[in-house]
Amino acid sequence: DSGVTQTPKHLITATGQRVTLRCSPRSGDLSVYWYQQSLDQGLQFLIQYYNGEERAKGNILERFSAQQFPDLHSELNLSSLELGDSALYFCASGGPGGETQYFGPGTRLLVL
Amino acid sequence: EDQVTQSPEALRLQEGESSSLNCSYTVSGLRGLFWYRQDPGKGPEFLFTLYSAGEEKEKERLKATLTKKESFLHITAPKPEDSATYLCAKGGSNYKLTFGKGTLLTVNP
Repeated sequence: DSGVTQTPKHLITATGQRVTLRCSPRSGDLSVYWYQQSLDQGLQFLIQYYNGEERAKGNILERFSAQQFPDLHSELNLSSLELGDSALYFCASGGPGGETQYFGPGTRLLVL
Repeated sequence: EDQVTQSPEALRLQEGESSSLNCSYTVSGLRGLFWYRQDPGKGPEFLFTLYSAGEEKEKERLKATLTKKESFLHITAPKPEDSATYLCAKGGSNYKLTFGKGTLLTVNP
């Protein structure tokens, strides 16, 4: 158990819909990172927040957004969903940069 | 742009048969080389972090080493429970991890 929690575990929705994924980091970690894992692309970095502020951006689509709240939990919002958004979404927490990241169990999203 | 390449894509071993997995990465801006283990449908589990060439770390049957442009994960006398996908990631100067596609290891009893 990494200490990072994610909800929900599974999510099934339809194209065009919007969903919210939630992540709580390990106690004491100020950084939250979001990743997408699909069969063909592997693990891809989406975005990082540090103590409530956006720190780094990766290959995140404009339809996706994230935020980190004062209690340090984070939410990833996915809107106008497409079939190709079906994937595993992982949250990780760790230090502000370069330190080890610890991953949560993931949310499996299926868009029908 | 950071790139990480892992080989082989898949490796099948007999129990007790030692081998090595390879990870090559773009050298500039390295802020740590990370190894993770991932079981199907689960989140990556942290194994090792290496920061400088020549560094080695061990954990049970696994040993990770780092050179100036490659890292190796050596598996000594593997057991079936070592079967998993092993992921290598480069920590870059922009705070993100760039992952390789992974090596799927299967250890047969």
